[in-house]
Amino acid sequence: ETGVTQTPRHLVMGMTNKKSLKCEQHLGHNAMYWYKQSAKKPLELMFVYSLEERVENNSVPSRFSPECPNSSHLFLHLHTLQPEDSALYLCASSQDMKGRDTQYFGPGTRLTVL
Amino acid sequence: SQQGEEDPQALSIQEGENATMNCSYKTSINNLQWYRQNSGRGLVHLILIRSNEREKHSGRLRVTLDTSKKSSSLLITASRAADTASYFCATDPGGGNKLTFGTGTQLKVEL
Repeated sequence: ETGVTQTPRHLVMGMTNKKSLKCEQHLGHNAMYWYKQSAKKPLELMFVYSLEERVENNSVPSRFSPECPNSSHLFLHLHTLQPEDSALYLCASSQDMKGRDTQYFGPGTRLTVL
Repeated sequence: SQQGEEDPQALSIQEGENATMNCSYKTSINNLQWYRQNSGRGLVHLILIRSNEREKHSGRLRVTLDTSKKSSSLLITASRAADTASYFCATDPGGGNKLTFGTGTQLKVEL
């Protein structure tokens, strides 16, 4: 266990549904990240939060909406997704955003959009 | 744009053999990290090497970094079946911990 949990582990949703992914870290870290991992593609950094403030938004479509209510929790709200959004969504945390800070990953949520 | 690119894409070896994976990147970096991912799971950090370091060891892992060639290698010695996983290099160009990952090397260690 890395100290980062994600729920649900698997999610199937239709294109008109609204759902949320949850990430929680028990490490006392100050930075949290959302990544998308699609088949045969590099891991893509989607959002970064540092001390609950969003510091990175890598041109992610607005149908993905992150929320960081406190330094231990991170959500990814999903609405009107497309089938190409099907992927493994990984959450990670690190102590800070200084270089050399190891990122600790959760097990991921496998999302299928029908 | 993709920063790290691993080579080979897939590698199959026998238990006890050594496994070598390579990573090339495009821009200057602050540090380079290697991660491991078991099928469909999260990534686990293995080792970090700073731009001013040339070699680093951790247990059966040995990482080298050649900044002049913009490349790194990961060597796993005396491999075990449990080492079967995908291995990714990740670079941190700006030092702000915003990592860019490669596509990974799938390692299979057979008994």
